[in-house]
Amino acid sequence: DQQVKQNSPSLSVQEGRISILNCDYTNSMFDYFLWYKKYPAEGPTFLISISSIKDKNEDGRFTVFLNKSAKHLSLHIVPSQPGDSAVYFCAADAQGGSEKLVFGKGTKLTVNP
Amino acid sequence: NAGVTQTPKFQVLKTGQSMTLQCAQDMNHEYMSWYRQDPGMGLRLIHYSVGAGITDQGEVPNGYNVSRSTTEDFPLRLLSAAPSQTSVYFCASSQGFSNQPQHFGDGTRLSIL
Repeated sequence: DQQVKQNSPSLSVQEGRISILNCDYTNSMFDYFLWYKKYPAEGPTFLISISSIKDKNEDGRFTVFLNKSAKHLSLHIVPSQPGDSAVYFCAADAQGGSEKLVFGKGTKLTVNP
Repeated sequence: NAGVTQTPKFQVLKTGQSMTLQCAQDMNHEYMSWYRQDPGMGLRLIHYSVGAGITDQGEVPNGYNVSRSTTEDFPLRLLSAAPSQTSVYFCASSQGFSNQPQHFGDGTRLSIL
């Protein structure tokens, strides 16, 4: 039973437009959520996170929104750039830590020039 | 600044062989974890440690052993390799505080014949 779901395996957007990646979770004990970006043959790179006491967190072009009642979070990238093309993983943990992350299957983002 | 270093990067084993995947971090992080990633899947937690001398099982621990004798190192041992353990293995570390992201190494690609 998947506790973290990324239902879109792939997403394609034009350079300069907004990319929206979605993630749903089922475990109400999750209280810390992260997005990672992964290029082929490299490890995941931390992008942005949000704790359950917030509903929005911004870092430059990246914004994460959390809707606890819907158990849904999303990552917005504005404006999208070709270098953003990668696989994006949503991850979650309970008890405020990050040593036991539960990952979604990932969404492959392609940003076309 | 090395961060999280994993060795080897690639390894081919025969069924039944044993080996140790090495992981070292130079950030003085308390938490360390091992994950595996299979094609089309997210990362799944194998074992984790919240400090030297303390380890615990994750989602998929069978066939693997860990120990944590120092803060810096967290080796993963395959006791008797099986083809089902063919995967990419990632080590990660994080500070021992709430809401701190894990930082990943670049992975070890392991093939079991």
